[in-house]
Amino acid sequence: GAGVSQSPRYKVAKRGQDVALRCDPISGHVSLFWYQQALGQGPEFLTYFQNEAQLDKSGLPSDRFFAERPEGSVSTLKIQRTQQEDSAVYLCASSPEARGPTDTQYFGPGTRLTVL
Amino acid sequence: GNSVTQMEGPVTLSEEAFLTINCTYTATGYPSLFWYVQYPGEGLQLLLKATKADDKGSNKGFEATYRKETTSFHLEKGSVQVSDSAVYFCALITNAGKSTFGDGTTLTVKP
Repeated sequence: GAGVSQSPRYKVAKRGQDVALRCDPISGHVSLFWYQQALGQGPEFLTYFQNEAQLDKSGLPSDRFFAERPEGSVSTLKIQRTQQEDSAVYLCASSPEARGPTDTQYFGPGTRLTVL
Repeated sequence: GNSVTQMEGPVTLSEEAFLTINCTYTATGYPSLFWYVQYPGEGLQLLLKATKADDKGSNKGFEATYRKETTSFHLEKGSVQVSDSAVYFCALITNAGKSTFGDGTTLTVKP
């Protein structure tokens, strides 16, 4: 079916505002990943879900970042009290299998967050 | 920790030129290695991968060989096209499923 979709594609927030970023993975995919990509850099891992379970959140930079995937499909990344250093592209990726060394991740187009 | 170092860009080539983008890595154990490509306005997509030493990944005329002795996974193509203009990311995934990406190399191919 369709690929991974993310919304909104662009988000401008004032410092201190809360934002919510949505990811619709490929239907039936077990694994879902969130990454943060700063300008001119590669994606940095934030968190990983296997179905509805958040198995790894070691990459979340602070407790202002929160992610959920309550029904094992759509996921939301929430950032509370945004700061300028949160400005980045947030990428979502899904994979048909549980996380492993050979899995191919299918990436969405990303949400570009700008915090003023 | 794990790291991936890519050749700095941008790289500008004429059509039909030979392409090499260097990638070296540092990791414990024996990771799998990947090249992802990001075309303008699109998400990252897998270009090729290799899961063990001496494996060669290939796709769309691109090739890369997993060299354990030099901890490298250089991307090559014999004759680039304008449509190959994109950002290329080298990445590794450990046995535990942890992924690390390089910073990307921007390739521009001119007609």
